[in-house]
Amino acid sequence: DAGVIQSPRHEVTEMGQEVTLRCKPISGHDYLFWYRQTMMRGLELLIYFNNNVPIDDSGMPEDRFSAKMPNASFSTLKIQPSEPRDSAVYFCASSTGLIAKNIQYFGAGTRLSVL
Amino acid sequence: DAKTTQPPSMDCAEGRAANLPCNHSTISGNEYVYWYRQIHSQGPQYIIHGLKNNETNEMASLIITEDRKSSTLILPHATLRDTAVYYCIVRPTGNQFYFGTGTSLTVIP
Repeated sequence: DAGVIQSPRHEVTEMGQEVTLRCKPISGHDYLFWYRQTMMRGLELLIYFNNNVPIDDSGMPEDRFSAKMPNASFSTLKIQPSEPRDSAVYFCASSTGLIAKNIQYFGAGTRLSVL
Repeated sequence: DAKTTQPPSMDCAEGRAANLPCNHSTISGNEYVYWYRQIHSQGPQYIIHGLKNNETNEMASLIITEDRKSSTLILPHATLRDTAVYYCIVRPTGNQFYFGTGTSLTVIP
């Protein structure tokens, strides 16, 4: 398997624009996680899905952020409208959810810069 | 929700063992200890995890004290490529990870 695949790797946009980040989890993994990493706040969990259903979105900072998982092989994180403070690296991760060996595998991340 | 305490930074000579401590004094009986690392500009990478017993894999060893209030990650022969931020995470049987600030390990030639 190619691992968790995120696109794009880098995104530069202007304030007010819509941004969509994409993630393809590892095949067979039924949990998917979206994280954000900044120097100030470190690595934060934004939302996670189980079997395509959002389970906990308490980490989503504002209504400007939304995430969807239309099927088991694809998820999006959308920011609309984007603001400079949204600049960060966004990671997607997936896991099998098995309690005894619940390893999260991370993608390479999307580095977002909002000007 | 900081369940773990780690030193902010450590140095280790190349070829020597790197011992990274983690304090998790409030750990519950069903919570696992996980270690991840993040090399600059990459996504976090799983290293090892354990519940009560010491564990070893091809990357590292995990030593958990008998009272489970602390643990040590051991990289037996550190290389320059082991320079990274190492995160110790205490995790309940649910799925949420809290990564904390980790330990920045620098392997020195």
